[in-house]
Amino acid sequence: AQSVAQPEDQVNVAEGNPLTVKCTYSVSGNPYLFWYVQYPNRGLQFLLKYITGDNLVKGSYGFEAEFNKSQTSFHLKKPSALVSDSALYFCAVRDMGNAGNMLTFGGGTRLMVKP
Amino acid sequence: GAVVSQHPSWVICKSGTSVKIECRSLDFQATTMFWYRQFPKQSLMLMATSNEGSKATYEQGVEKDKFLINHASLTLSTLTVTSAHPEDSSFYICSAGVLLGHEQFFGPGTRLTVL
Repeated sequence: AQSVAQPEDQVNVAEGNPLTVKCTYSVSGNPYLFWYVQYPNRGLQFLLKYITGDNLVKGSYGFEAEFNKSQTSFHLKKPSALVSDSALYFCAVRDMGNAGNMLTFGGGTRLMVKP
Repeated sequence: GAVVSQHPSWVICKSGTSVKIECRSLDFQATTMFWYRQFPKQSLMLMATSNEGSKATYEQGVEKDKFLINHASLTLSTLTVTSAHPEDSSFYICSAGVLLGHEQFFGPGTRLTVL
């Protein structure tokens, strides 16, 4: 079984400050990890993924995430938040041994960036 | 590349009617397509997984006779909500994956409102 937890329903940050959106996962094997962003009434936009290799993954719009195997975490970060980053963020995991490509999503974290 | 479209974007229908939502992979062949449902301020819930030419696999609690899925080709899957009722009102999102691929590519979603 695979699962994802996003412990914060909402994260508030001031524009220009660094942001972190937390994600922890559980899989029986090795994980593929993803972050997606969703704007109102829109589908999911891919931000970044961890498949293998460097633990620090850089993605779209200046976002990055660090894979920490010992803590089973994949927190999303950005050094300087923009008001336009305000959206709903989803972390997702797939067990590498899952040939069916099935993703399991976290509950989502709403990011509010205030001017 | 890897663009997935959905049609329609919005649909409003009367209770008791059936609604068909199309999901197309525009520039690649999708061996697997996924259908999700998202209620306001909630995460994506997987409804079913479909492989081209075979019957869809439904998640527990999803009525297969209510939500008919047809995956007729490698670029098209359809979800038909039969005899829709107000409680079926939701945001429906499809995604597409490729064999041995790592990720899913998401469509923009379809907002269904049943009056």
